Amino acid sequence: KQEVTQIPAALSVPEGENLVLNCSFTDSAIYNLQWFRQDPGKGLTSLLLIQSSQREQTSGRLNASLDKSSGRSTLYIAASQPGDSATYLCAVSPSLDSNYQLIWGAGTKLIIKP
Amino acid sequence: DVKVTQSSRYLVKRTGEKVFLECVQDMDHENMFWYRQDPGLGLRLIYFSYDVKMKEKGDIPEGYSVSREKKERFSLILESASTNQTSMYLCASSPAAGWYGYTFGSGTRLTVV
Repeated sequence: KQEVTQIPAALSVPEGENLVLNCSFTDSAIYNLQWFRQDPGKGLTSLLLIQSSQREQTSGRLNASLDKSSGRSTLYIAASQPGDSATYLCAVSPSLDSNYQLIWGAGTKLIIKP
Repeated sequence: DVKVTQSSRYLVKRTGEKVFLECVQDMDHENMFWYRQDPGLGLRLIYFSYDVKMKEKGDIPEGYSVSREKKERFSLILESASTNQTSMYLCASSPAAGWYGYTFGSGTRLTVV
């Protein structure tokens, strides 16, 4: 059974630092992996989607990598800003036929201190 | 540029009421989902639908039903609201082939008193 873990559960860093959020999964047979951002009391915003055949995706200051063999994905945030403060969740799609459901991590709550 | 719309941001209902949560997407997606999110429990799938009039139970369907009469609309129904259904409800959609992943609505914070 696929399990997704995000460590740490919370992270606080000073503004301007580069940081890495981690996501690990137990079964390497995934179709894709998606990173989301959630602000308090709001819905989820999709940040990056990585297909199983890809190694990384970039959007602005964000870079997500995927290493299926080791069951890991990282979200790299460059030059962090207070506006980056949010909870970041990763989710995997187990297979093409299983796109009906995602397996979710519990999230990392990120606080960027001005 | 809104693509998944949930009809209410905040909702307060009384115990025993029948509650309808509406979700509409304009991306012609085949799949639609209802989740609830609670502190410490994360996101839990209630129901999903992969086609009009089709529905599948998720992890926690008890106390809920759904309706999908049109492709763009997916409704979550609480037949008789209870206080333990106080939660954040999130709707999402995705295309049949998972290339583009999920798109979420902004959520409905439901309080049952």
